[in-house]
Amino acid sequence: GEDVEQSLFLSVREGDSSVINCTYTDSSSTYLYWYKQEPGAGLQLLTYIFSNMDMKQDQRLTVLLNKKDKHLSLRIADTQTGDSAIYFCAETLRRNRLAFGKGNQVVVIP
Amino acid sequence: KAGVTQTPRYLIKTRGQQVTLSCSPISGHRSVSWYQQTPGQGLQFLFEYFSETQRNKGNFPGRFSGRQFSNSRSEMNVSTLELGDSALYLCASSQLGEDTEAFFGQGTRLTVV
Repeated sequence: GEDVEQSLFLSVREGDSSVINCTYTDSSSTYLYWYKQEPGAGLQLLTYIFSNMDMKQDQRLTVLLNKKDKHLSLRIADTQTGDSAIYFCAETLRRNRLAFGKGNQVVVIP
Repeated sequence: KAGVTQTPRYLIKTRGQQVTLSCSPISGHRSVSWYQQTPGQGLQFLFEYFSETQRNKGNFPGRFSGRQFSNSRSEMNVSTLELGDSALYLCASSQLGEDTEAFFGQGTRLTVV
């Protein structure tokens, strides 16, 4: 299946941590991604995790993967105003085909 | 290394016309995928090309077509444009094979009036 689910909106104060969640459906996906999209821009690859990993840390970003529940999360530590954007999780289907969630808008309040 | 380049960035077309969008992948990348992004449907997969061959196709009508050249550059074409084709069209480039990191261009914003 291609249903990747995300919650829609998150408001967070500058300096706090923000957590975005995602549920995917294809247990055979090898890579799971997080992309960031700023207004009027394309998709920026933030980070990804292999399906055989539970956690990946990349500077202020921490990705957690629960394969049993098909649940993926992205934690942004010390959230900055520049982190305001829409965040998409995506899973790989066959041959580089990505299935995306609807996106989660993050608004950082100074 | 240059990123994924899409041209043009913005386009306005009239219903019934056709349009061609271009994507130049990252140097050395052989796979190019196309996606349509709309507020209602989100990001939808159009098709993927690898070594000039279409390997995968999404659920779009035949009005949407594409091709890939020997230098890996890709074009997509939409014929007989409809108002609902207004969208941001994004191209993604991957190095090779399956399940590798996908890097996106800035997109082409198509408006059909």
